[in-house]
Amino acid sequence: EVQLVQSGAEMKKPGESLKISCKGSGYSFTTYWIGWVRQMPGKGLEWMGLIHAANSDTRYGPSFQGQVTISVDNSINTAYLQWSSLRASDTAIYYCARNRNGDHYFDYWGQGTLVTVSS
Amino acid sequence: QSALTQPASVSGSPGQSITISCTGTSSDVGGYNYVSWFQQHPGKAPKLMIYDVSNRASGFSNRFSVSKSGNTASLTISGLQAEDEADYYCCSFTSSAPNYVFGTGTKVSVL
Repeated sequence: EVQLVQSGAEMKKPGESLKISCKGSGYSFTTYWIGWVRQMPGKGLEWMGLIHAANSDTRYGPSFQGQVTISVDNSINTAYLQWSSLRASDTAIYYCARNRNGDHYFDYWGQGTLVTVSS
Repeated sequence: QSALTQPASVSGSPGQSITISCTGTSSDVGGYNYVSWFQQHPGKAPKLMIYDVSNRASGFSNRFSVSKSGNTASLTISGLQAEDEADYYCCSFTSSAPNYVFGTGTKVSVL
């Protein structure tokens, strides 16, 4: 069974750092891209960026370039999204999703990680 | 990179048909046959419904159909049911990083 399992909810203060994870199982991890999606409270979906699990080729959306870092450890089938200094505006649910190399759709999604940033 | 344009809300009575439009540009919707649609119920992760313009994902019946003309893709839900009440998002491959763009989202209400 294909699964993307994300790390649990986080509550942080402004200025703190954070790294959340997305672990894939039930498929060949390195033949897929992992994408990260932000959903701010009551708002729509936004692509933050994508990373290829085999070679770490990473593409960031223009609003997120320099604001977050996407990485992958394919030895443990896990992708990461990290911030060095959180802001209140980073409060959102973050989803990961997979996309097979050569395809152009995201068929399996993680359950989402709620990140709350508040002083 | 601007989001694709969808109507904010669409409503219909049970059994009726509704259509959700998704308008982009020649750099995304109009330039590629790589439009997908997602259904999102409250508090849940998005679920893939349609991919590559017209292919249905597992679990979605032929009540859900799609079309594309120029820079606009459309999702039609026929025989509207209570469980169709959800948010719907289109998504297209695009020439700009990170190579995918979502629509603004449409809330479907079943009256």
